[in-house]
Amino acid sequence: EAGVTQFPSHSVIEKGQTVTLRCDPISGHDNLYWYRRVMGKEIKFLLHFVKESKQDESGMPNNRFLAERTGGTYSTLKVQPAELEDSGVYFCASSLRQGLMNTEAFFGQGTRLTVV
Amino acid sequence: EDQVTQSPEALRLQEGESSSLNCSYTVSGLRGLFWYRQDPGKGPEFLFTLYSAGEEKEKERLKATLTKKESFLHITAPKPEDSATYLCAVQAEGGFQKLVFGTGTRLLVSP
Repeated sequence: EAGVTQFPSHSVIEKGQTVTLRCDPISGHDNLYWYRRVMGKEIKFLLHFVKESKQDESGMPNNRFLAERTGGTYSTLKVQPAELEDSGVYFCASSLRQGLMNTEAFFGQGTRLTVV
Repeated sequence: EDQVTQSPEALRLQEGESSSLNCSYTVSGLRGLFWYRQDPGKGPEFLFTLYSAGEEKEKERLKATLTKKESFLHITAPKPEDSATYLCAVQAEGGFQKLVFGTGTRLLVSP
């Protein structure tokens, strides 16, 4: 079974440009999460989708970040315009929804974003 | 605010030298505590979920335990392939499912 897949694995862009990160969750997982780790800090939550709906976007840093999940399948995270402080590793995770419970989250390998 | 503190930041062991990693947490109500392993350049890999104080789980050389304030990850007779960063995260009760992570413990096991 394929795991969580993220594209690209690395991206280097200039300040002010736009970047779009993509995440393909494990098939059948209704929950999809985005997290970010900036240099030297802990992994921090950005947002949570249940199918195509945003369940919790309390971790989104500002309105330069836009996340979508088309048809409840793959998700994209767009940063526009990118700033230097957006550099970091962006992780996507997915989990199965079982009744009122959710199983453990499985993470992708991450996208390393560098803004220069 | 929910918070997770892991110690030590880094740990160097000789092969076969057992030790423990600590995860202290404060959370409004604990739904679950998670341990993940992360290798360089990869995403976190799930190890254990603990739900209530007194619970223990084991997997190969790893054993995770939970109290009301902290969790320990015990590593028995580690091997070089156990070298990785070990992450602890908590999930609070309530409607939201987000994980709150600690900064991790970098473990290096020398042959």
